[in-house]
Amino acid sequence: AAGVIQSPRHLIKEKRETATLKCYPIPRHDTVYWYQQGPGQDPQFLISFYEKMQSDKGSIPDRFSAQQFSDYHSELNMSSLELGDSALYFCASSLGPGSDSEQFFGPGTRLTVL
Amino acid sequence: AQSVTQLDSQVPVFEEAPVELRCNYSSSVSVYLFWYVQYPNQGLQLLLKYLSGSTLVKGINGFEAEFNKSQTSFHLRKPSVHISDTAEYFCAVSESSGGSNYKLTFGKGTLLTVNP
Repeated sequence: AAGVIQSPRHLIKEKRETATLKCYPIPRHDTVYWYQQGPGQDPQFLISFYEKMQSDKGSIPDRFSAQQFSDYHSELNMSSLELGDSALYFCASSLGPGSDSEQFFGPGTRLTVL
Repeated sequence: AQSVTQLDSQVPVFEEAPVELRCNYSSSVSVYLFWYVQYPNQGLQLLLKYLSGSTLVKGINGFEAEFNKSQTSFHLRKPSVHISDTAEYFCAVSESSGGSNYKLTFGKGTLLTVNP
């Protein structure tokens, strides 16, 4: 079965650079969520989209922005990177935005900021 | 706002022993409850979920959990663990009351280590 695809899987950037993370949801899934998992931490919700509109926003820095495109894939854009942005970034997708809709997680993008 | 407390950061057990991973939650609204497993360098995989109905929920890989509303708990259990169950386990909640707040709030995780 098709799963959530995230690219790249690994990314190394310098401080103050920009990064773009991509997420391709499971086919027919219309809802995408982004989570950030710092080293040894629990995943923290960043932002979500349903039908290309932002549906919820969590602890996402102003330096980050995201959008969902017409084919439902999503991109997380990160600017002025800081050392503290080093983390595993997960994308999850679901069919519909309801709390009872199972969120399927991708393998994550590991971002390292040097 | 919701919060999740996983009472044990690490649980070492021997193979074939039973295990219980504890999870308590706090919320001002009704919630759905989930357990996810994360193997090293991998994403999160759903083990089981409680939405409504029977408070005893069975999941994949022989795991089960019991929802206790009065104690606001959702402990995960397995009667006999295998080496392959070694992983990080996360308890999570989301609001069940609708609106647009469907995000998952996770606990800090419990590292289950199964020793031979």
